[in-house]
Parts: sequence; C-alpha cells; structure tokens
Amino acid sequence: EPEVTQTPSHQVTQMGQEVILRCVPISNHLYFYWYRQILGQKVEFLVSFYNNEISEKSEIFDDQFSVERPDGSNFTLKIRSTKLEDSAMYFCASSERAGVTYNEQFFGPGTRLTVL
Amino acid sequence: EDQVTQSPEALRLQEGESSSLNCSYTVSGLRGLFWYRQDPGKGPEFLFTLYSAGEEKEKERLKATLTKKESFLHITAPKPEDSATYLCAVDYGGSQGNLIFGKGTKLSVKP
Repeated sequence: EPEVTQTPSHQVTQMGQEVILRCVPISNHLYFYWYRQILGQKVEFLVSFYNNEISEKSEIFDDQFSVERPDGSNFTLKIRSTKLEDSAMYFCASSERAGVTYNEQFFGPGTRLTVL
Repeated sequence: EDQVTQSPEALRLQEGESSSLNCSYTVSGLRGLFWYRQDPGKGPEFLFTLYSAGEEKEKERLKATLTKKESFLHITAPKPEDSATYLCAVDYGGSQGNLIFGKGTKLSVKP
C-alpha cells in the first residue's frame, strides 16, 4: 500500500541553525501539506502546496519557513534559523484531490525536531 | 473562529465495553469531516471521511456518523489494540482543503 515517507525520523539541532525536513508523498498525489504537533497539543496546519506554489499558509508559517519540491518525488520544509519553540513533530501529508469532496489527506510518520 | 472540539479528552474502557467519541464543529462551509487514529509518536492514520449529514461509515469495530453540528465515532466491543488517540479534523473549505484538528480523545482499552 502506498504511503508517505519522511526523513529523518528525529532531528536534533542547535538554536539558530537551519534544518531541512524531507518528505516523499504518495506517487500519484499532487497536493502536499505540512502540519506540526507540539508535544501534548493538537495538530496544526502550516502550509499547503500545489503546482510548485504555496496555496495557503498559516500564521505559524512565517519568513523563517519555506517549502520546495526540488524534484519529482521529494517535498521539503526548511526552517532557516530554528528557535526553541520550533521543537515539535512535523508531519507531511498528501492528497490526490483538493478543494473538493473526497480529498482525503494521508500523513507520514513525522519528523521529531528538537531544538536545543 | 472555526472550532473543532472533541470529548471526552480521555476514555478508559474495559475490553468489550462499547462507547462513543464526540466531535463537534463550528465551521462555515464544511466540506468534509475526517477521523484519524494516532498512536504515540506516529503520524495520523486515516480512518473515515464524512461529507453530508446522515452519512455513516464503518470499519471493523468502528462506525462514524455525521450530523450538521457533530460527528460520533462509535466503538463496538473494543479490544486492547484499539487503544490510541482518535483525532477529528474538518476541511473548512479553504482553497486546498487544509484541515483543522481537534485535540483528540485518548482511548485506553483494558483487557
């Protein structure tokens, strides 16, 4: 069964450093998302992406964040200068359709980011 | 502000003891309501999508229903392996269908 994969599973970094989180969406999906979940809190939307452009972004997704689809399979989230409060689980998701019904989003296993 | 509220926050059941989880929502233009299962340290695992009031979906011991204001996830004769956090999320109709999640219900099923 096709699934979303993410690497690394755990990333530890120093405050102020740049990190890149990687995702491989399900192969026939065209719509991509990043969400995050701070420990003990709810899953929060960060950004959605389609056709090499950001569709929507939340208030959390400030200038320190960027997304890219560098090739036909990978989808990345970059945090330019990490802060302590960026520590969270980051989930990538993909869907076959969007903006209509039957637009189920399938999530990856997540990357746990720890900022020291 | 669009809101998704789940109750209870935690639920402890004995194996075989049926119960229901609730998800109430106040979003305009609901385009879909989704149930996910999340195990500790893992990503949300898709369970069901519901699109219109009156709709029902079933999978093994789980049954999801939808009204105009809320959804229920009914668990019939649960087993210990059903222990997980169950998340409700709504597509509020944004351009790409971004999801608003509730805080989840942590279900523990004791043998």
